[in-house]
Amino acid sequence: EAAVTQSPRNKVTVTGGNVTLSCRQTNSHNYMYWYRQDTGHGLRLIHYSYGAGNLQIGDVPDGYKATRTTQEDFFLLLELASPSQTSLYFCASSEKGAQDTQYFGPGTRLLVL
Amino acid sequence: GNSVTQMQGQVTLSEEEFLFINCTYSTTGYPTLFWYVQYPGEGPQLLLKVTTANNKGSSRGFEATYDKGTTSFHLQKASVQESDSAVYYCAQLSGSFNKLTFGAGTRLAVCP
Repeated sequence: EAAVTQSPRNKVTVTGGNVTLSCRQTNSHNYMYWYRQDTGHGLRLIHYSYGAGNLQIGDVPDGYKATRTTQEDFFLLLELASPSQTSLYFCASSEKGAQDTQYFGPGTRLLVL
Repeated sequence: GNSVTQMQGQVTLSEEEFLFINCTYSTTGYPTLFWYVQYPGEGPQLLLKVTTANNKGSSRGFEATYDKGTTSFHLQKASVQESDSAVYYCAQLSGSFNKLTFGAGTRLAVCP
């Protein structure tokens, strides 16, 4: 079973604050993804990566940066957080792309005041 | 662009009732289609997928048939249990093969 962990599990920040969400997967999957989950919108892709140093833009990238430092680690950065970024964030990984099973982490709940 | 529509925001059933969750997709070509399930407090997990039009996928008693003619991929289960209570997401693979487009999700509540 693929293992994807996320930290922190909960985060509160203020408008304009700087936030980094972390994700690690231990199955040497090539692809990693960051989603946000909001009621009425389902899961929306923010950024994804197919290897260390690679970054691809998703469907809702505005206000977010991401960095893939190693095969295992994928970070999501909010440099000037806004209340509209209050959400539940999920990281996922898959071996060869989105056609393969995506394994999701437990999520990080972010509140921007 | 691609889109996935789930019209039912919430479905409430009693145990052993029949489940039907509606999903339609909009795209050109023949995308791979998925159902993911999210149990309370967890991340989503794959329930089933179908890669070929007019084929059926099944898992854990759930079934979904890829109907190219009606662009639908409805999820069904003959007899639900309380443990099936979760949010169900329909998704399609984008043309680039690197992204999934998810529907808004359908929350299923099964009462004992």
